[in-house]
Order: sequence, then structure tokens, then C-alpha cells
Amino acid sequence: DTGVSQDPRHKITKRGQNVTFRCDPISEHNRLYWYRQTLGQGPEFLTYFQNEAQLEKSRLLSDRFSAERPKGSFSTLEIQRTEQGDSAMYLCASSTGYGYTFGSGTRLTVV
Amino acid sequence: ILNVEQSPQSLHVQEGDSTNFTCSFPSSNFYALHWYRWETAKSPEALFVMTLNGDEKKKGRISATLNTKEGYSYLYIKGSQPEDSATYLCAPTTSGTYKYIFGTGTRLKVLA
Repeated sequence: DTGVSQDPRHKITKRGQNVTFRCDPISEHNRLYWYRQTLGQGPEFLTYFQNEAQLEKSRLLSDRFSAERPKGSFSTLEIQRTEQGDSAMYLCASSTGYGYTFGSGTRLTVV
Repeated sequence: ILNVEQSPQSLHVQEGDSTNFTCSFPSSNFYALHWYRWETAKSPEALFVMTLNGDEKKKGRISATLNTKEGYSYLYIKGSQPEDSATYLCAPTTSGTYKYIFGTGTRLKVLA
């Protein structure tokens, strides 16, 4: 197992387009998290899965954001009708308990 | 836990200098405190997890202390090296949740 992998590493999209990111967690980890980090800020919680169940979703997450984790394995994060304010680093992490293992992130730039 | 503060936000030190950062958090319902190091273009890397008041952890030239009663943790780097340049993040967790609330981070630049 090579750790948590995220794809793509970078994404540039035009405002109004939809984008989808993928996260492959460590195989034995049952919890998966999505965070977003913007310039000058720490990572901000978006949502969290335990197996395939989405247990918590940040109130900061608008209806344009949706995440899935079918079969409790990989996860996808989709952003519809992207806005310039969505430009950020999107981080995925997985765990079995309290210690996270992070991926390298997907950097989204909305132009 | 709603408000996690880290200071300073950024600093530059000369190679060989020792330095320290602060993480402040609400002490109610505290469970654990995590420190991560995040180098540019890499994944955040776990440094320490601490749970008990008075905990001290050490990893090479980096060490950390924890005060859960007053809600703060210090991270120390002895004899800073250019490879220590990174953003250092702290994240406390509360009982009953696995969600981290991160501070804004301290961006360290070590000048050769």
C-alpha cells in the first residue's frame, strides 16, 4: 500500500464547469475525510465517511458540493458550477482511529 | 472545538537557531492534540499526538509539550535546518468525534 492517493494533482477549470476529484485511501482504513485549504488558512473540514456512510458534512459546504464513497473504498468529491472562490487545495485523509494519513491534495484553480 | 489559534503565523530563522510555536485551543472536552508538518508539494506528515496534560514528545530535534488545563501546546525545533522549512499545523480533537479542527498553521522558513 502506497498511502493515500489523490487524483488529479492539479486541475484548472473555467468558472461554471463541474469538476470531480478522487481519493483512494489506505485499504484497511474505514474512515475517510475531505478538507479544503485556502491561502493563509489551515485545512477546513468538509465531510467525513465511515465506510460508505457519510456521517458529517460541514455547514460551509454548499449544495454545489457532493461527496460519495461507494462500497466504502475510494471517494469522489464533485463540485458543480464552480466559482472562483472554490479555488483551493482539496485534501483527503483516511484513518482507522484518531491519526490521519493525508494524501498530497488536488489543487483546483477556477479561472 | 471551534477556535484553534497558532502563533506566529510565519517566521524566518537562520540555520542553527532554535525556535518555538504555540497552538491554543479551548480546553473543554479535550481528547487529543495532533501536530503535523506540511512541506510544499507533499502530504501533511504526522509529528506527534498527545493526550495527557503535561505530555512531552520528542522526535529528533523537534519536541512538543501539552497543557490541557489551560489549552495550549508548544512545538520546539532545536538547531533549525533548511529542511525544517514547512507549515506546522496543530489540530485538537474532542471526545466523541474523529474530526480535526486545524489552526491556521505556522509557516517556518529556515535560511541557510
